[in-house]
Amino acid sequence: EVQLLESGGGLVQPGGSLTLSCAASGFTFSNDAMAWVRQAPGKGLEWVSTISSIANRPYYSDAVKGRFTISRDNSRKTVFLHMASLRADDTAMYYCARDPRAGDLDYWGQGTLVTVSS
Amino acid sequence: DIQMTQSPSSLSASVGDRVTITCRASQSIGNWMAWYQQKPGKAPKLLIHKASTLESGVPSRFSGSGSGTEFSLTINSLQPDDFATYYCQQFYSFSQRTFGQGTKVEI
Repeated sequence: EVQLLESGGGLVQPGGSLTLSCAASGFTFSNDAMAWVRQAPGKGLEWVSTISSIANRPYYSDAVKGRFTISRDNSRKTVFLHMASLRADDTAMYYCARDPRAGDLDYWGQGTLVTVSS
Repeated sequence: DIQMTQSPSSLSASVGDRVTITCRASQSIGNWMAWYQQKPGKAPKLLIHKASTLESGVPSRFSGSGSGTEFSLTINSLQPDDFATYYCQQFYSFSQRTFGQGTKVEI
């Protein structure tokens, strides 16, 4: 059974940083790209970042480019999202998802909440 | 950037109704379209990928169609479990994975 478990969310001050983790199990982690998607309270889904399975190439939305860094550790079956220079509009539930076919996201974690506030 | 326009933003329907949700892309995206269902407090669930391929385990009353810039999700014979919010997503390129604004299907 595929499982994705996010952790690392919490309350952080504007300008601060936070690193999210997503531990995967139930599939060959190194074969698949992985993505982060966020959802602000009461709002729609927003793609944040994807890291490819080959060459670990990262991709970012314009909203987070230059502030967020995605990475993965295939030996630990874990994908990370390091978030810096956080702003109030980064407040959201952050979901980790598997990207098996270069785009669609077939398995999702339960999400971890990030709140940026002073 | 590729923009997605999803409509309607909400709709009211009854059990047994046929419901259609549409998504329009600002440029051609081939068939690189997916549809998701999300219930309150839950993660999204993949319904359709490659515009019309039903994800394993998804009921056959769900179907997707379209290519290029115009896409639709149809739910035949709406069931009580189908009341949720639905999102389209384009993935034409690795650097752009835009979601539509969502459609809330209410009773």
